[in-house]
Amino acid sequence: GDSVTQMEGPVTLSEEAFLTINCTYTATGYPSLFWYVQYPGEGLQLLLKATKADDKGSNKGFEATYRKETTSFHLEKGSVQVSDSAVYFCALSPRRQNSGSRLTFGEGTQLTVNP
Amino acid sequence: EPEVTQTPSHQVTQMGQEVILRCVPISNHLYFYWYRQILGQKVEFLVSFYNNEISEKSEIFDDQFSVERPDGSNFTLKIRSTKLEDSAMYFCASSERVLGEKLFFGSGTQLSVL
Repeated sequence: GDSVTQMEGPVTLSEEAFLTINCTYTATGYPSLFWYVQYPGEGLQLLLKATKADDKGSNKGFEATYRKETTSFHLEKGSVQVSDSAVYFCALSPRRQNSGSRLTFGEGTQLTVNP
Repeated sequence: EPEVTQTPSHQVTQMGQEVILRCVPISNHLYFYWYRQILGQKVEFLVSFYNNEISEKSEIFDDQFSVERPDGSNFTLKIRSTKLEDSAMYFCASSERVLGEKLFFGSGTQLSVL
């Protein structure tokens, strides 16, 4: 079945540091890939997505590229801010009929950015 | 930005009792979902709902669970005869369309079964 594996957390960085959170997946066919973010006390919010190989999703300075050859979708940001402190979830959605928007999530990575 | 609203934010119940978790999806959305996250584990898909019927469910979603859209705005998850292992954060979500569409999540209901 489908699965998503994220790098283990928590991750603690200083402000303006470079961020990478690794994500790899296993799926049949060509899934859509997502990064969701959860700020304290809030629900999950879509951060970015990519729907086909070599697509790059980007939002709020975050980027991730859909790499089919390595089945990866690593999240990166060049300079993190304190306000980026949150839990980040990698997820996939199969593009099979009757699977709708069923998301399979990774474990989540807690990011803390210190001033 | 429009929001998915969940109530209550916390629910405590005794083992064996029935609970109903409530959600108000975004008004023009047509697809509705429940997910849960047991403490320390992954967020897991439970069920999706479209056109007043279940469109997909996971192996977790057994006869203990049911969903309903009782009126034009609410979407509920009922858990009958709760067990200790049902303790989790339950997230409701909705989307305008299906197949890779962006999901909007509520902030969750933390269910504690004692």
